[in-house]
Amino acid sequence: GAGVSQSPSNKVTEKGKDVELRCDPISGHTALYWYRQRLGQGLEFLIYFQGNSAPDKSGLPSDRFSAERTGESVSTLTIQRTQQEDSAVYLCASSTQTGPGEKLFFGSGTQLSVL
Amino acid sequence: GQNIDQPTEMTATEGAIVQINCTYQTSGFNGLFWYQQHAGEAPTFLSYNVLDGLEEKGRFSSFLSRSKGYSYLLLKELQMKDSASYLCAYPYNFNKFYFGSGTKLNVKP
Repeated sequence: GAGVSQSPSNKVTEKGKDVELRCDPISGHTALYWYRQRLGQGLEFLIYFQGNSAPDKSGLPSDRFSAERTGESVSTLTIQRTQQEDSAVYLCASSTQTGPGEKLFFGSGTQLSVL
Repeated sequence: GQNIDQPTEMTATEGAIVQINCTYQTSGFNGLFWYQQHAGEAPTFLSYNVLDGLEEKGRFSSFLSRSKGYSYLLLKELQMKDSASYLCAYPYNFNKFYFGSGTKLNVKP
């Protein structure tokens, strides 16, 4: 696609429910990243994928968070038993990762609100 | 550890020049990025510095001093549309990008 696409753009859920967030990276981008941004704050690294594998999962806040990527393309971030502190914008980014200077291309994010 | 510090908020006047500073501490340095993020939108790439010195790109310039762990973004001839948050970031081990909390710039007429 032309850019990084995320869906849904907005998600309102009740505490305790599971949610699944989707990211379609730019075609051909091997690296894919998930970040969380709470209101008025910076970007918090969650996880990144190189191809379909995730070498670094250290940013996932708890075992309620998981992510997968298939076909070196689409990625899903799943949050189980959502809590109010999970409310944030979840941003996905991708890059070609051909060198250290490769910039990230971000999607517009999913605004998650846990009531 | 990996730390990045930026001022939280700045205000400047339309047509003026503003400098946004960023200091960082990292055990592995692979360059420093600046991103712009308008409210409610995704961050977009502004600049990348890997060597010391000033990189100029139109109204925006970015400076890096690796020995001091310091960078700044210089915005000239400020326009109202420059009101946004400016994030500095570096890739640790090429892959794991750490972002600062961002500097919210308010441009006033």
